[in-house]
Amino acid sequence: GAGVSQSPRYKVAKRGQDVALRCDPISGHVSLFWYQQALGQGPEFLTYFQNEAQLDKSGLPSDRFFAERPEGSVSTLKIQRTQQEDSAVYLCASSRRLNTEAFFGQGTRLTVV
Amino acid sequence: GESVGLHLPTLSVQEGDNSIINCAYSNSASDYFIWYKQESGKGPQFIIDIRSNMDKRQGQRVTVLLNKTVKHLSLQIAATQPGDSAVYFCAENGQTGANNLFFGTGTRLTVIP
Repeated sequence: GAGVSQSPRYKVAKRGQDVALRCDPISGHVSLFWYQQALGQGPEFLTYFQNEAQLDKSGLPSDRFFAERPEGSVSTLKIQRTQQEDSAVYLCASSRRLNTEAFFGQGTRLTVV
Repeated sequence: GESVGLHLPTLSVQEGDNSIINCAYSNSASDYFIWYKQESGKGPQFIIDIRSNMDKRQGQRVTVLLNKTVKHLSLQIAATQPGDSAVYFCAENGQTGANNLFFGTGTRLTVIP
């Protein structure tokens, strides 16, 4: 596709449920980022991949959060045992390489009830 | 009109006027900056970027100014249109070679027809 694609667009999870959020970056983009955006706030960094290597996961809030990009293209952000404070929009972005124009997807709005 | 700071101020301008959105970034080591536009329910949309070796960069109807001495970034939008109404975020990379972008809280721009 022409842009970054994320699925699902909306996800409602019961507290304690595991969820998986998918990101399809722009073809050929080496760098892939995950961000978390709370209502009324700017995006906050979660993790960064360069191809299949996860080079920075300093923003992941707890060990319940896990991300992977096994073939250097599609990435999945997994949240285990979801809690209400996990409710947010999860954004994925990709760029040709680090410190170049980063394009964002539409995001996945996660609501934990 | 203009707005200062990163505390989600609101800026209202008349259609056709010029808009100036300001941002005070935090890290003197940041060497890459991006302005993003985010409409309700959508992911951030890249507007323009600038590197620290430049003071000014122009795009279509937009200009970004960088003042490294006072760590200040501004986005100027010429002939503001209703479609420009959105939240605008500045983002900095925090340090040379950093793996992520640090976003401010944003400024909500409302264009009055």
